[in-house]
Amino acid sequence: EAEVAQSPRYKITEKSQAVAFWCDPISGHATLYWYRQILGQGPELLVQFQDESVVDDSQLPKDRFSAERLKGVDSTLKIQPAELGDSAMYLCASSLPPVGLAALYEQYFGPGTRLTVT
Amino acid sequence: GQQVMQIPQYQHVQEGEDFTTYCNSSTTLSNIQWYKQRPGGHPVFLIQLVKSGEVKKQKRLTFQFGEAKKNSSLHITATQTTDVGTYFCAGRGRAGNNRKLIWGLGTSLAVNP
Repeated sequence: EAEVAQSPRYKITEKSQAVAFWCDPISGHATLYWYRQILGQGPELLVQFQDESVVDDSQLPKDRFSAERLKGVDSTLKIQPAELGDSAMYLCASSLPPVGLAALYEQYFGPGTRLTVT
Repeated sequence: GQQVMQIPQYQHVQEGEDFTTYCNSSTTLSNIQWYKQRPGGHPVFLIQLVKSGEVKKQKRLTFQFGEAKKNSSLHITATQTTDVGTYFCAGRGRAGNNRKLIWGLGTSLAVNP
């Protein structure tokens, strides 16, 4: 069964350093999501791509976070500089694109990257 | 803005007991999805509800979407230890900026064998 790949699985970095996460969605999934999940909370959408275009980045702290999906396939999320409050699980998900109001396809999540900022 | 609330936050049951989690939206939804996240794992899609008053069943799991499409519930009959995890609802709004998927905070289920 096809899966969403993410790397690294774990990352420990010092505050003020730069960190990057990579995601490879399921083949054929045009929609890609980056979420941040703090322990004990639900996923919080950071950015949503449709192919190579950003559809929603309203919750992305743009002063330090950036995301790209240059060829509309894999994607990179970067944090620079990292802060202590960025410690969380960063989840990537992909899905087929939504069709109208009714159909919103299920999201397939990758294993996530657990980030610890010290 | 649009909010999705889930209750309870935690539920501890004996194996064999039933379990229900409720999801309430501040606005009318176009559809709602339910996910399960095992401890240490990632969210896994369970089901999507689209129609007003819709009821769907998956073995021991029963999902309902309210008539007003503002609330939903997940009921598990005769819980098993394999049901342990956090159950999230995620609702999609109907128009404009509300059409993004908004996640609830989840209900964590613990099952005593």
